[in-house]
Amino acid sequence: GAVVSQHPSWVICKSGTSVKIECRSLDFQATTMFWYRQFPKQSLMLMATSNEGSKATYEQGVEKDKFLINHASLTLSTLTVTSAHPEDSSFYICSARGGGPGTTDTQYFGPGTRLTVL
Amino acid sequence: ELKVEQNPLFLSMQEGKNYTIYCNYSTTSDRLYWYRQDPGKSLESLFVLLSNGAVKQEGRLMASLDTKARLSTLHITAAVHDLSATYFCAVEKDIRIQGAQKLVFGQGTRLTINP
Repeated sequence: GAVVSQHPSWVICKSGTSVKIECRSLDFQATTMFWYRQFPKQSLMLMATSNEGSKATYEQGVEKDKFLINHASLTLSTLTVTSAHPEDSSFYICSARGGGPGTTDTQYFGPGTRLTVL
Repeated sequence: ELKVEQNPLFLSMQEGKNYTIYCNYSTTSDRLYWYRQDPGKSLESLFVLLSNGAVKQEGRLMASLDTKARLSTLHITAAVHDLSATYFCAVEKDIRIQGAQKLVFGQGTRLTINP
């Protein structure tokens, strides 16, 4: 139980285009999901906290208009990187917070999405 | 502001040896986590430590927590090559959004175990 999926697992896009990444909790409901980015050989940095039915809370320094987060249901959050540029190339990881039946009150991590912007 | 620091950041060791990774954090916290990350992969949860004096063991890995010292350790016993990975500790921080809590990660310790 408590599986989190991400789609796509990797994506290559041209500079200036937008890319949408999906994060799904497959067998549990998650009112809160988190989006992280990880540059090569670095740690994970929290970008934003996503709550179902409300606006996401972004960390300091993260551009809201560039990284659009939507948490439309209890099992799906999306991150859209708008007008992507090469410096946005990174590994994006989502997590979903459990706490309901079959889960513990902890974050379950997705497999990550590797974004390369040419 | 909550800060989490790991040391060492890089560790190369021989199979069969023992070693410890340290994780210090700057403010009080309810929970501390240890994760493993293999190259190109996401995080694998290893341990959740919930209280002072907590000790958990899984195979050759053992984690402990001293909340008074704000220190957690991850001890590796008789290391084997398969344990080569990057290990992260993360500390949970309170936020005021529906009771959810966010994680602050350490820098990671890249562990290489040589045959």
